[in-house]
Amino acid sequence: DIQMTQSPSSVSASVGDRVTITCRASQGISSSLVWYQQKPGKAPKLLIDAASSLQSGVPSRFSGDGSGTDFTLTISSLQPEDSATYYCQQAHSFPLTFGGGTKVEIK
Amino acid sequence: EMQLVESGGGLVKPGGSLRLSCIASGFTFSSYSMYWVRQAPGQGLEWIASMNGRYSDIYYADSVRGRFTISRDNAKKSLYLQMNSLRADDTAVYYCVRDLTEGGGGFDPWGQGTLVTVSS
Repeated sequence: DIQMTQSPSSVSASVGDRVTITCRASQGISSSLVWYQQKPGKAPKLLIDAASSLQSGVPSRFSGDGSGTDFTLTISSLQPEDSATYYCQQAHSFPLTFGGGTKVEIK
Repeated sequence: EMQLVESGGGLVKPGGSLRLSCIASGFTFSSYSMYWVRQAPGQGLEWIASMNGRYSDIYYADSVRGRFTISRDNAKKSLYLQMNSLRADDTAVYYCVRDLTEGGGGFDPWGQGTLVTVSS
């Protein structure tokens, strides 16, 4: 099974800050990496697929990068509405696996 | 608008059974692989089962294999999850999700989720 490791598990940052979340796969997954945002009591929302492809309607301050085993999600200028938990997921092979999540809080 | 609506959750005793349903609308259901993903209270996301549109490719997480059965009815645009031998650690919100594209690529859209509580 491919293990997905996210770091940090939580981050507290100010409005306007740049925030970077890292996701590492235990083996190469090419670009088959997806990022989700989940707010309390809501279903996750897909932000980025294929490691760097921004979904329609997602603000351009979100960006994804990486291939192989190392990936990043960057929020270039943190906004209050970005307070949420972010998950990565590998879509390369079964069993499909998620990272443990990164909780982003606003200072 | 694409939509997935789950139903069937509730309180069940350990060892009991439950059947979840998901009705899809707004897209060609038979063209997409469908999945169940769950989230235990305060925990992360866990993929548990998948079935492709032709009923031919079925996968399960180790945690549910042999106890849960995924099925679908393309004519009814419906996805199901039969859950048997339920345990306390199966307590979670269960989401019905679709492949982002017909070729895969992530989960979108998601249903609103249905809560399953396993407790005596």
